[in-house]
Amino acid sequence: LAKTTQPISMDSYEGQEVNITCSHNNIATNDYITWYQQFPSQGPRFIIQGYKTKVTNEVASLFIPADRKSSTLSLPRVSLSDTAVYYCLVAPRDQAGTALIFGKGTTLSVSS
Amino acid sequence: DSGVTQTPKHLITATGQRVTLRCSPRSGDLSVYWYQQSLDQGLQFLIQYYNGEERAKGNILERFSAQQFPDLHSELNLSSLELGDSALYFCASSDRTGGETQYFGPGTRLLVL
Repeated sequence: LAKTTQPISMDSYEGQEVNITCSHNNIATNDYITWYQQFPSQGPRFIIQGYKTKVTNEVASLFIPADRKSSTLSLPRVSLSDTAVYYCLVAPRDQAGTALIFGKGTTLSVSS
Repeated sequence: DSGVTQTPKHLITATGQRVTLRCSPRSGDLSVYWYQQSLDQGLQFLIQYYNGEERAKGNILERFSAQQFPDLHSELNLSSLELGDSALYFCASSDRTGGETQYFGPGTRLLVL
């Protein structure tokens, strides 16, 4: 599995756009990039998944450059409720025996 | 609400004891994953089952075991408990065999005294 590297923590203010970058230099051809959000004492929640270029949903956007060695999760106009830990995960889909490595994630703190 | 249920929500027990955590996946999901999350370790993958069969193993101790039953619910058994086993235990499910979007349950908080 590709190893991922994310910043340990980030700070922001309400209303700002937040970009969290994840490095995955050893990403394989069949790997997908998935981001999860976790609030204290709750299970992680799926945010967005992509393979290449840009993916957008009602919560976030995911930017993946052509070489796929990194990805950026973009949260538009964050609010206090976006304070959470964000995990970047790189893994193949539909491949048996995939042990998913979540890492430490990025702790985002949003202030007013 | 992810559709994944876990029981019990909280569990307090003593060292040396054995406990069983239960997970019911989302309707239609064949894969169940177990994770352990402690304050200093982050989210650690333990084991995955797909349609009743073990598919992937992570950092699961020999004192821990799991199984998935024909109705697809899963149980994680923790025995000879130690203080360091105190953690949040999450179950997640997905509809395929590996690497896909996972839906996490609310977790079971285990406290070993």
